[in-house]
This record gives sequence, structure tokens and C-alpha cells, in this order.
Amino acid sequence: DTAVSQTPKYLVTQMGNDKSIKCEQNLGHDTMYWYKQDSKKFLKIMFSYNNKELIINETVPNRFSPKSPDKAHLNLHINSLELGDSAVYFCASSQVAGGGTEAFFGQGTRLTVV
Amino acid sequence: AQSVTQLDSHVSVSEGTPVLLRCNYSSSYSPSLFWYVQHPNKGLQLLLKYTSAATLVKGINGFEAEFKKSETSFHLTKPSAHMSDAAEYFCVVSPYSSASKIIFGSGTRLSIRP
Repeated sequence: DTAVSQTPKYLVTQMGNDKSIKCEQNLGHDTMYWYKQDSKKFLKIMFSYNNKELIINETVPNRFSPKSPDKAHLNLHINSLELGDSAVYFCASSQVAGGGTEAFFGQGTRLTVV
Repeated sequence: AQSVTQLDSHVSVSEGTPVLLRCNYSSSYSPSLFWYVQHPNKGLQLLLKYTSAATLVKGINGFEAEFKKSETSFHLTKPSAHMSDAAEYFCVVSPYSSASKIIFGSGTRLSIRP
């Protein structure tokens, strides 16, 4: 059973489209995250939710909107996709927000905007 | 504020020789520290973690790291490199406070020469 699963694994789409990436964790964790990994492998946090409540919202264009229907799910919706949005997006979860606990990561979604 | 600095963007060693990947951290709180590994086109896997117990931490695949508070370092080592160790390695800090970010270093690419 996959602990943190995200779909799709690959996403190729045209500029201007709207797309969503789904994430689910079956670890019973309270906190979920979205990270963006750029072409230089740098990982930057985008959002963090704790028990469905947004607790971290980094400087991310408002075209990106996270949605947490319950604490096991954190989806990422992106409007009006741009070329610069091409990256690998990772979902993660941890038992608490920070708190010295490790995060468990999904396998990533490689988004390519053409 | 917390941050983590990986001192080398790329390390290349010969198979069978020791590996040293350097990491320095800065944290206002007592931190937990982690090393993650990312193999090409794969997700992130936890190698090991320090959570204020023993300062020498052993992880998977023969890796270990030593927490040195006086030097604010958490370097990753392995006595003998294997070809399968070629990957990107990330040092991560997660302070003991609520609503905190899990912060990634910029990564070190480890290459293994035959």
C-alpha cells in the first residue's frame, strides 16, 4: 500500500489550460504539503495544511490553489498554466507541522507546459 | 529562522572510496535533521534522521551522519561508495515548533566513478 500517492505521474498540457494534481496519504498524518522542484533540483515549499487548515502559503501565484477536502487529501489546482510552471511537484505528509518529524513524499508529478 | 546549506553542489568519488556530503544548518529552535535521497526520476526517500537522541545516526544503505551542535553541522558519510549510491542528496531541517516548514538544502549530486 502506497503511503503517499499522487496522480497523475506525468502531465503534459498547453499554456492557458487548467489542471489538477491529486494527493492522498494513508498514514493518518495531520499535515500535508506541496513542494515544487525546479530543473536544478531545488525543492521549495508551496503550501502546508494541518487538519484541513492552511498554515503555510509561500509566495506562490494565486493561479495555484490547494484544496483539502479532508486531512487525508490535498489537491493542487493550477489555473492558466504558464511555461514557467513546468516542474516536478511533490506532495508530502508528516505527523505534525514541523515538530521535528520527517515528511513522507509521493513519487512526484512531472508537469510539462507546452 | 531556519535554513540549511549544502556546501557542495556536486561530489564525485570512485567506487569503494569514502563518501562525505556536507551540511550546515541554522535554526532558532532545537532542530530535527534529515537526509533524503532522490534517485534519477524517482521520489524522495528518507535515509536517516536526527531527533535529539544519539548524535551519531545510522541510516539505510550504510550511510550515517553525525550531529555536531558546536559546528552546526550534520554531514553524511559512507565508508565505501557503491555505484547504486549515485543520486541527489538533500539535507533537511525541521525545527521543533508548530506550523513550521520542513526546509530543504539545495542538494548535492553524488557521482560514482567505476
